Amino acid sequence: EAGVTQFPSHSVIEKGQTVTLRCDPISGHDNLYWYRRVMGKEIKFLLHFVKESKQDESGMPNNRFLAERTGGTYSTLKVQPAELEDSGVYFCASSQSGGLRGQYFGPGTRLTVT
Amino acid sequence: QKEVEQDPGPLSVPEGAIVSLNCTYSNSAFQYFMWYRQYSRKGPELLMYTYSSGNKEDGRFTAQVDKSSKYISLFIRDSQPSDSATYLCAMSDTGGFKTIFGAGTRLFVKA
Repeated sequence: EAGVTQFPSHSVIEKGQTVTLRCDPISGHDNLYWYRRVMGKEIKFLLHFVKESKQDESGMPNNRFLAERTGGTYSTLKVQPAELEDSGVYFCASSQSGGLRGQYFGPGTRLTVT
Repeated sequence: QKEVEQDPGPLSVPEGAIVSLNCTYSNSAFQYFMWYRQYSRKGPELLMYTYSSGNKEDGRFTAQVDKSSKYISLFIRDSQPSDSATYLCAMSDTGGFKTIFGAGTRLFVKA
């Protein structure tokens, strides 16, 4: 069974540019999550999809971040325009039954904004 | 005050030692407790999960939850160099959806 995949693995952009991160969850997992870890900080929750619907987006930092999950399959996270403080590692995770069995994480996308 | 406190270490032990990793938390609503292992440049990998208080054992790993003290632990027996990684505690107050992470403890097991 393939795990959670993320693309790209690393992205370097200039302040003010736009970046789109992609996540493909484990097949059959209705729940998809985005997290990020900025330098020296904990991994922080951004939002949670159930199929194509946003269930909880309380962790989204501001309206420069837009997440979508087309057809309840893969998800994208767009940052527009990017700021220096957006640099960090963005993780995607998926789960079938929520926390009872934990969430399965992808390898992350390392975003560097210069 | 952070919701979850975890000593970042690093923690260095000799091969074969018993390792104890701990987290404290402040939100009494947390019901689901997890431990993740993260190798360098990789995503977190789920090790153990428990619901409410109690112990759970899986091979060399034992997870303990004491909700009365708001304290969770992960024990690693017969530690191996391959156990060298960052260990993250995590917890949730719902069906395990929005998960709150500790800072992670870096563990080094010396051969």
